[in-house]
Amino acid sequence: GAGVSQTPSNKVTEKGKYVELRCDPISGHTALYWYRQSLGQGPEFLIYFQGTGAADDSGLPNDRFFAVRPEGSVSTLKIQRTERGDSAVYLCASSSPTSSTDTQYFGPGTRLTVL
Amino acid sequence: AQSVAQPEDQVNVAEGNPLTVKCTYSVSGNPYLFWYVQYPNRGLQFLLKYITGDNLVKGSYGFEAEFNKSQTSFHLKKPSALVSDSALYFCAVRVYRGNNRLAFGKGNQVVVIP
Repeated sequence: GAGVSQTPSNKVTEKGKYVELRCDPISGHTALYWYRQSLGQGPEFLIYFQGTGAADDSGLPNDRFFAVRPEGSVSTLKIQRTERGDSAVYLCASSSPTSSTDTQYFGPGTRLTVL
Repeated sequence: AQSVAQPEDQVNVAEGNPLTVKCTYSVSGNPYLFWYVQYPNRGLQFLLKYITGDNLVKGSYGFEAEFNKSQTSFHLKKPSALVSDSALYFCAVRVYRGNNRLAFGKGNQVVVIP
């Protein structure tokens, strides 16, 4: 079946601009996660949705970052006033938490470059 | 807090030889442990996980990992490495009944030499 999809695959923007990154989870997965992976590092947690609500947004670095999931499926990560330090690969994952052991399945990521 | 350490930056191994990628963890509670693999310009692919039960976990592509509670380790192993196993490997941990976030190590680059 289809996996997690993310668009765009690459995004180049200028410092100060606004960007939106989209994630389409595996069909039926109620949990959705955003992570950020900087060069040479492992992914770092940003935010977790259970259904439409953000169950844990403690990983968002500051108030320039915001994410929504209005219908409990597709999610959009929004970054305002982008800075060069925001350049990274943004990964989305989904899982079906019928129990607390569910595996997170990742999309291919969006590579964001802020010039 | 939860964290993992992957002490080696790169692991070089000859094709056909055993492959080991090391991971140690730190959690306050019972851990759930995961291994993922990342190929260039690709997302993370799930390999295997330890939840409970048998300490030896078998996963995709012939990989296995052994949970050792006394050493707080979860090393990834493969008896005979292939050139196609060359990739970036990440260990991750989350806590039973904790939040759902995964804490990842920095990753290990595995290079299998033909």
